[in-house]
Amino acid sequence: DVKVTQSSRYLVKRTGEKVFLECVQDMDHENMFWYRQDPGLGLRLIYFSYDVKMKEKGDIPEGYSVSREKKERFSLILESASTNQTSMYLCASKLAGGGEQFFGPGTRLTVL
Amino acid sequence: QKEVEQDPGPLSVPEGAIVSLNCTYSNSAFQYFMWYRQYSRKGPELLMYTYSSGNKEDGRFTAQVDKSSKYISLFIRDSQPSDSATYLCAMKAQGGSEKLVFGKGTKLTVNP
Repeated sequence: DVKVTQSSRYLVKRTGEKVFLECVQDMDHENMFWYRQDPGLGLRLIYFSYDVKMKEKGDIPEGYSVSREKKERFSLILESASTNQTSMYLCASKLAGGGEQFFGPGTRLTVL
Repeated sequence: QKEVEQDPGPLSVPEGAIVSLNCTYSNSAFQYFMWYRQYSRKGPELLMYTYSSGNKEDGRFTAQVDKSSKYISLFIRDSQPSDSATYLCAMKAQGGSEKLVFGKGTKLTVNP
């Protein structure tokens, strides 16, 4: 079974803090993705990575950065958390060229 | 016109009903079609995956793709209260971008 894990299920941070969200997959997938999901807005792509050290902006990259130093790990960084970044964050991975994408359990981030 | 349109519902049915969930799309290059099930406060789970046209059946679930009409469907037979969730369609073109395009999801409630 493909497994995508995320470092935290629930996280509470204060405005201005630097926040790290970690994602690990165990299926040797080249592609990894970070989304946020908000009621009524659906899934929105923040960043994705084709392969190690390769990244591309998604639809809403402002206020976020990413790091992919190893194939299995993709990190999302909120440089200075703001209240409008309170959301459910979802990581996903898939094989390059393929369609089947697998999601992690999500991290519900609250910024106070 | 959005690339993928999905009726957000909500859809409420009695236990045992046949449920039909649908998405329309505009990009004729889409070749990979997926349905995800997402329970409240959890990550999306890949339910059905179809390449190109045709039908695919898995237990009580049937996925259909009609590329001529740019229309995909998910049928749930003998629906159960445990099927209550949000269902998301997703699509990807062959070649080109590795990104999936998602519908916004349909919220389904199956009443006992």
